[in-house]
Amino acid sequence: KAGVTQTPRYLIKTRGQQVTLSCSPISGHRSVSWYQQTPGQGLQFLFEYFSETQRNKGNFPGRFSGRQFSNSRSEMNVSTLELGDSALYLCASNYGTSGNEQFFGPGTRLTVL
Amino acid sequence: AQSVTQLDSQVPVFEEAPVELRCNYSSSVSVYLFWYVQYPNQGLQLLLKYLSGSTLVKGINGFEAEFNKSQTSFHLRKPSVHISDTAEYFCAVCLQGAQKLVFGQGTRLTINP
Repeated sequence: KAGVTQTPRYLIKTRGQQVTLSCSPISGHRSVSWYQQTPGQGLQFLFEYFSETQRNKGNFPGRFSGRQFSNSRSEMNVSTLELGDSALYLCASNYGTSGNEQFFGPGTRLTVL
Repeated sequence: AQSVTQLDSQVPVFEEAPVELRCNYSSSVSVYLFWYVQYPNQGLQLLLKYLSGSTLVKGINGFEAEFNKSQTSFHLRKPSVHISDTAEYFCAVCLQGAQKLVFGQGTRLTINP
């Protein structure tokens, strides 16, 4: 069974640009969650999608948005990039039941210059 | 709101020695508890989880953890570590019924030969 895949793995952008990151969950998984990992703030929850609907959202500004497609693939978008958005963005998937293991992808390393 | 405190940011130990990584959590409602490991340049991998039942939980790679409700702790232990255990370890909680994981700041485990 293929794991969670994220593309691209590395990305360099400049301030003010926007970026779209992609996550393909494990086959059969309907829940996709996104996390931001930085040295200063650690791992922080961005949002979770289940069956194309956002079920939960973390405390991030509206510049951070996401969506989920009918095949459960998910994208997150960050508009008007700031230097502080430089981070490792991780997505995780599972069947959608609380307490089930969340399987993490390798992440997308975003650098904002 | 839930919070997680990992009491040690770094733990150095010698190979084949025992190790304990400490985790305390705060929550006014019932939560599920998890330990994840992150190897360099990789995503997170689940070591073990506590949902209910026996307070001693066994996970992969010889790790185990004990849930202590009165002390709101979920410490991770391994009786004998190996060089390959060098990684960052994250304790996390999840509100029952939700998917959002709230992580501690992580503990970097370094194994010296």
